[in-house]
Amino acid sequence: DAKTTQPPSMDCAEGRAANLPCNHSTISGNEYVYWYRQIHSQGPQYIIHGLKNNETNEMASLIITEDRKSSTLILPHATLRDTAVYYCIVPRGIQGAQKLVFGQGTRLTINP
Amino acid sequence: GAVVSQHPSWVICKSGTSVKIECRSLDFQATTMFWYRQFPKQSLMLMATSNEGSKATYEQGVEKDKFLINHASLTLSTLTVTSAHPEDSSFYICSARDAHTQYFGPGTRLTVL
Repeated sequence: DAKTTQPPSMDCAEGRAANLPCNHSTISGNEYVYWYRQIHSQGPQYIIHGLKNNETNEMASLIITEDRKSSTLILPHATLRDTAVYYCIVPRGIQGAQKLVFGQGTRLTINP
Repeated sequence: GAVVSQHPSWVICKSGTSVKIECRSLDFQATTMFWYRQFPKQSLMLMATSNEGSKATYEQGVEKDKFLINHASLTLSTLTVTSAHPEDSSFYICSARDAHTQYFGPGTRLTVL
C-alpha cells in the first residue's frame, strides 16, 4: 500500500494560486491519487482524483509527475473559504475493496 | 458530487445508553459504506467497512460488539454505539462509495455525559 507524505502546513494569500504538494513514491501503476479537504467540524469533501494524466475540474487542478511519484493540487484563485486540511490519499486494498486511510494532511491557511 | 447525509448531526447521551447514527446515500446506491471517527485535533480514523447484506469488517482495535454496524440496503447504513461511555465522545463520519469515489457525510458529534 502506497503511503503519502505532505507538508503539515502552508499559507497562501487570498486570490493567489495555492499549490499543495504530495509525495507518493511507492505508488504502483494502477493506483489512483485522491484529494479531499476537511473544513473545520465538517465531513471531508471530495476534490479530485487522477491516475496518470493531469486533471482539472471546477474546484482544482491535479498535476501528476511523469514518474507518478508525486503530485500537486492547485487551487487557482484561493479564497478564505479554501482554508482547510487537505488530504492526499492513495486508496488501500485490492480493486473493488479499497478504502481511504487518512494521514495528517496539510493545513492550508488562506490569508486576506 | 454525490450527497451523503447523516442523522443526527449531534447527540448528547448519558453514560451506559446506546446511540444509533444513520448514514444515507441520497442520490446513488452504495454497496460499500465506511465509518470513521475523529477526535479533536486528530485525523480521521477508519473504524469499519460495511457491505450491503453482509457483516461489517472492522479495523484492528475497534470493538465489533461495541460499535454495531448494519447495512441493510444500498442507501442506508447505521452505526450503533452500545453502552456508550465518555471516552466514546467523538465526531463520527460515514462515507459511501459509488463506482469510483468515496463521498462523506457531514458527521455526527456524540457527547457522552
